Formats: sequence, C-alpha cells, structure tokens
Amino acid sequence: NAGVTQTPKFQVLKTGQSMTLQCAQDMNHNSMYWYRQDPGMGLRLIYYSASEGTTDKGEVPNGYNVSRLNKREFSLRLESAAPSQTSVYFCASSPLLGREQYFGPGTRLTVT
Amino acid sequence: TQLLEQSPQFLSIQEGENLTVYCNSSSVFSSLQWYRQEPGEGPVLLVTVVTGGEVKKLKRLTFQFGDARKDSSLHITAAQTGDTGLYLCAGRYNFNKFYFGSGTKLNVKP
Repeated sequence: NAGVTQTPKFQVLKTGQSMTLQCAQDMNHNSMYWYRQDPGMGLRLIYYSASEGTTDKGEVPNGYNVSRLNKREFSLRLESAAPSQTSVYFCASSPLLGREQYFGPGTRLTVT
Repeated sequence: TQLLEQSPQFLSIQEGENLTVYCNSSSVFSSLQWYRQEPGEGPVLLVTVVTGGEVKKLKRLTFQFGDARKDSSLHITAAQTGDTGLYLCAGRYNFNKFYFGSGTKLNVKP
C-alpha cells in the first residue's frame, strides 16, 4: 500500500500561471483534505471532502478550487498563481471526517 | 491569530533530558490529535485524545487532555535523538472545523 501519494513533488510557476496538484489514496478512506504549510503558521486547511461527491471550504480557500474525482482522488487547482501561494501543500485522508489523518509527502510550490 | 497556541516554539535539549510541550486554546475541542513531522515529510499521527482528563502513553511519550478539553500537553521522558522533529497539535471543533497549531520544533542533541 502506497498510502497517500502526491504529484508533483516540486513545482515552480510564474505569477498568473495555472496548475493542478494531484492526490490519491489507496486506503479506502472517505474523507480527504488539502492543507498548506508556511513557516511559523503550522498547517492551514484549504478545502476538504467529507465523502465522495462533497467538498467544503476550509480556513483559507481563496485562490483555490478542488475536485473530488472519485473516492481515491482529490485534486487542488490554482487558476492564477500568486506569490502569496508559495508554500508546501499537503494532502491527507482519513477513514471518516475528523478521524486520524494520513498525510502525503507534500508538494513544494514556488510562485515567482 | 492562531486558534491553537503551542509552546515553546523551539526546544533544544540534551539526550536523556525530559521535556513537556503545550497546546492551548480558548475554545473547547471535541478531540485533539498530536503529530510529529520530520523535514521534507508529511506529519505522522502519534495519538488522538477525546475525553477531558484523558492520559495516553506511547512508550516514553505521555499525552494529557485537559479536563475542560481546551488544552493538552505532551511529555517526553529521557529524550532520544530520534525524537527530533516538529510536534503539531490539531484540534477538532464542532463537526467539521480543524485547526493545527504552529508547532514545537524539538532538537535533541547527542
């Protein structure tokens, strides 16, 4: 079992470019999450999906969109990247909403 | 403003020493989790506490949940170099609100 996988591992974008971060889990979990981690700020929840077919905003959703493609996959899209979105992005999954979360290895994104 | 305050922010100790890190909030959690994160990796769950006053032990790590469910502590006995990492607490409020603290960066020197 791979657990939670994320692609890409690193990405550099220019301001205004768009991209999609991919996340997949093979643990048959119902809930999935996207976080960003900035120095001194801990992890902040961007969006989450309680179950297949539902998505909801977290603490910092502005500038992002998500798609729960199926039970396994949850993608995060930046439509027009800004330097303020430079961060490390983590995807996580849990058996049910609020239960223990399993994290992917992260995507380090730089927007110039 | 951080909903969850962790202290201290940084801690550097010698191998064999004991330490305690804290996680505090003015709000009541329905549950709280502790994670450890190593550089370049995602956080890994250590424990979940749910009941006020609960104490859980994981080898040399002792986790305590405050009676009012507003605070928690993590105590490490006889720290080892392998304990080095970023310790994060994460609180669940209501049904669908989750917040992480900014973490305590622990360095255990040999």
